[in-house]
Amino acid sequence: QVTLRESGPALVKPTQTLTLTCSFSGFSLSTNKMFVSWIRQPPGKALEWLARIGGDDYKYYSTSLKTRLAISKDTSKNQVVLTMAYMDPVDTATYYCARNYYESSATGFYMDAWGRGTTVTVSS
Amino acid sequence: QSVLTQPPSVSAAPGQKVTISCSGIRSNIGNNYVSWYQQFPGTAPKVLIYDSNRRPSDIPDRFSGSQSGTSATLAITGLQTGDEAYYYCGTWDTSLNGGVFGGGTKLTVL
Repeated sequence: QVTLRESGPALVKPTQTLTLTCSFSGFSLSTNKMFVSWIRQPPGKALEWLARIGGDDYKYYSTSLKTRLAISKDTSKNQVVLTMAYMDPVDTATYYCARNYYESSATGFYMDAWGRGTTVTVSS
Repeated sequence: QSVLTQPPSVSAAPGQKVTISCSGIRSNIGNNYVSWYQQFPGTAPKVLIYDSNRRPSDIPDRFSGSQSGTSATLAITGLQTGDEAYYYCGTWDTSLNGGVFGGGTKLTVL
């Protein structure tokens, strides 16, 4: 059974750096078929993809947030960490981590398993 | 402003069919498979369709997807009140080198 769980602070101050951890089970990031993405959703708004890391350790970032984001993994702990610098009130959102599983070379990009999300409020 | 374009809302009566469109450009939908997600308020999204028209084993065949050119469509037949939710399309964008989503569509079952 594949599970993912996000953890991190519920409240951060403007200009601070946010650090979120995705702890997962049921799969390993040591293969090139598995990736973990971070997605966020501001209150009442749409999903926004943020970043992705995979077994090949190659990292992909949202173009608009690239300068503020850093994603890393600890394969032995089954964790993926996302940091976002210079937090602003507009970054208030629920942050999700999700698995991307490439069943075959013909499989497209999609999220087949999601965590419950963690809500982050940015306020002084 | 989402990269993919969806209608903000659609509605239909129970038992009827509804379609939700998702429009993009060549670098995203034109060259990559689309997936669709269902999200109820306060919960995480759940995949309904991936690779344009494939369903996970737990998704009923009332849900189907199609894709042509730079557009994709989610169809739901035999609408039920429990289908009232937000629906998002998503894909990879080869130019942006990242994932992209639509703005979401709220489905109301009248």
